[in-house]
Amino acid sequence: AQSVAQPEDQVNVAEGNPLTVKCTYSVSGNPYLFWYVQYPNRGLQFLLKYITGDNLVKGSYGFEAEFNKSQTSFHLKKPSALVSDSALYFCAVRDGRFYFGTGTSLTVIP
Amino acid sequence: DAGVIQSPRHEVTEMGQEVTLRCKPISGHNSLFWYRQTMMRGLELLIYFNNNVPIDDSGMPEDRFSAKMPNASFSTLKIQPSEPRDSAVYFCASSLGGVNPGELFFGEGSRLTVL
Repeated sequence: AQSVAQPEDQVNVAEGNPLTVKCTYSVSGNPYLFWYVQYPNRGLQFLLKYITGDNLVKGSYGFEAEFNKSQTSFHLKKPSALVSDSALYFCAVRDGRFYFGTGTSLTVIP
Repeated sequence: DAGVIQSPRHEVTEMGQEVTLRCKPISGHNSLFWYRQTMMRGLELLIYFNNNVPIDDSGMPEDRFSAKMPNASFSTLKIQPSEPRDSAVYFCASSLGGVNPGELFFGEGSRLTVL
């Protein structure tokens, strides 16, 4: 079965510092990987996806993610965090249905 | 496009009452998903449809829950009778399926409170 794991429930980072939100995956076949963000009282919003091609994927709001096949990871990154990036982040893998991680709460400290 | 549209946004009801949540997916999307989100259990897939046909309903908690998709532009999730433990935010989401699967687009959710 397909699955993703987000090992950190909470990540704190100072404004202006780089941020990383971790995700590892377990799939059979080619992985279709996604990152979503959820702000309070809102639905999940798509950030970026990896289907095939370049291992570094660029997405919305300055976020990017690096697909690493050998480490089965798809970590979300941003070079300089903003307070407005504070939200809940979900990693997901798709094989028809979507399998979501448990989410990582990101807090950017001013 | 208006995105995925859900109604009602908020519903407060009493235990034992019937609840119907509605969803209009994005035009042209052929996959539709219903999720439930709670603090305790996180994001749970209840059921998903492909081309209006239910593909996987293994996440539906029990017989009190039912979902339909009578056409490509409308789906309902019904709870009858409702119980306090059904209190949650229910999300509908749609996407393109097929060989190159697309991303999910979520609605803003229906927040259900069962007293």
